[in-house]
Amino acid sequence: GDSVTQMEGPVTLSEEAFLTINCTYTATGYPSLFWYVQYPGEGLQLLLKATKADDKGSNKGFEATYRKETTSFHLEKGSVQVSDSAVYFCALSDRSGGFKTIFGAGTRLFVKA
Amino acid sequence: DADVTQTPRNRITKTGKRIMLECSQTKGHDRMYWYRQDPGLGLRLIYYSFDVKDINKGEISDGYSVSRQAQAKFSLSLESAIPNQTALYFCATSDGEEKLFFGSGTQLSVL
Repeated sequence: GDSVTQMEGPVTLSEEAFLTINCTYTATGYPSLFWYVQYPGEGLQLLLKATKADDKGSNKGFEATYRKETTSFHLEKGSVQVSDSAVYFCALSDRSGGFKTIFGAGTRLFVKA
Repeated sequence: DADVTQTPRNRITKTGKRIMLECSQTKGHDRMYWYRQDPGLGLRLIYYSFDVKDINKGEISDGYSVSRQAQAKFSLSLESAIPNQTALYFCATSDGEEKLFFGSGTQLSVL
């Protein structure tokens, strides 16, 4: 079945550091890919998405590119802020899976001032 | 007001008790979902419903049941709670465009 694997955390960075959170997926069809973010005490909210190969999703300085050849969707940000501290989830949704969203385990990010 | 509202926010119960978690939405979406979140495991799908007459099991439905009372309401029940059902539970909705909208979650502890 479909699955998502993302790097284990926690990831601890200093403010203004470069962020990469790795995500790879397995899917039988052609899924859409997502990054969701969960701030403390809140539900998940969509950060960005990409629906086909080579698409780049971007939002709030975060970016991720849909790489079909490496089945990856790594999240990047050039300069993190303390307010980016949260848990980040990579996810996919596939027509062949009835559009149910499959989530990775989540990566906790701590940003120090 | 929140678009997806879950009640209660926190609940402590004892093994063997029946408990219901409720979810209501004002987004007008047909699709609703129940997930549970466990540390290191991410979110796992319990049940989902694509309209009022459609209920489907997710990957971890054993020990749970659901009721879709209306387009806006989707409740999750634990008929006889057990300690390994201690988790953070999320309700979510979708308009069919794949993006999910989440409630703030219910932290359930089963003693």
